[in-house]
Amino acid sequence: DIQMTQSPSSLAASVGDRVTITCRASQSISSYLNWYQQKPGKAPKLLIYAASSLQSGVPSRFSGSGSGTDFTLTISSLQPEDFATYYCQQSYNTRTFGQGTKVEIK
Amino acid sequence: EVQLVESGGGLIQPGGSLRLSCAASGFIVSNNYMSWVRQAPGKGLEWVSVIYSGGTTYYADSVKGRFTISRDNSKNTLYLQMNSLRAEDTAVYFCAREGTNERYGMDVWGQGTTVTVSS
Repeated sequence: DIQMTQSPSSLAASVGDRVTITCRASQSISSYLNWYQQKPGKAPKLLIYAASSLQSGVPSRFSGSGSGTDFTLTISSLQPEDFATYYCQQSYNTRTFGQGTKVEIK
Repeated sequence: EVQLVESGGGLIQPGGSLRLSCAASGFIVSNNYMSWVRQAPGKGLEWVSVIYSGGTTYYADSVKGRFTISRDNSKNTLYLQMNSLRAEDTAVYFCAREGTNERYGMDVWGQGTTVTVSS
């Protein structure tokens, strides 16, 4: 099974900050990597698919990069509505989610 | 409008069975990859199962042999049959659409249905 490890598990940031979350796969997954945002009590929302493709309707301050085993989600300028938990997910071999990164207000 | 609506959750005793339903509107379930994902209270997301448009199915090791994913094309509905339920199966269960291949991610989600396994 492919394991997905996100770092950090949580972070505190201010509005306007640049935020970077990393995700590492236990083996190469090419670009079969997606990113989701989840707010409390809500279903997850797809932000980025295929490692770097922005899902329709998602603000351009979100971007993804990487291939193979190392991936990054970047929020270029954090907005109040971006405080949430973020998950990576691989779809190269069945599916696996990372453990999540909680973005909190500093 | 593209939408998924789950139902069938509830309180069930350990060892019991439950069938979750996920009714789709605005798209055809059988043309897409469809997944079930769960989230235990206060925990992260856990993928449970996927059914491909061709009918191939896969399961997480934690549910293999106990859960069965299926669909009814005439009702445009996805199902998850859960048998031999355990306390650790307690979670909110979401269904999600993945599009026509693995590259597109889970772009449409239901609101979730809660399963509580307890005596």
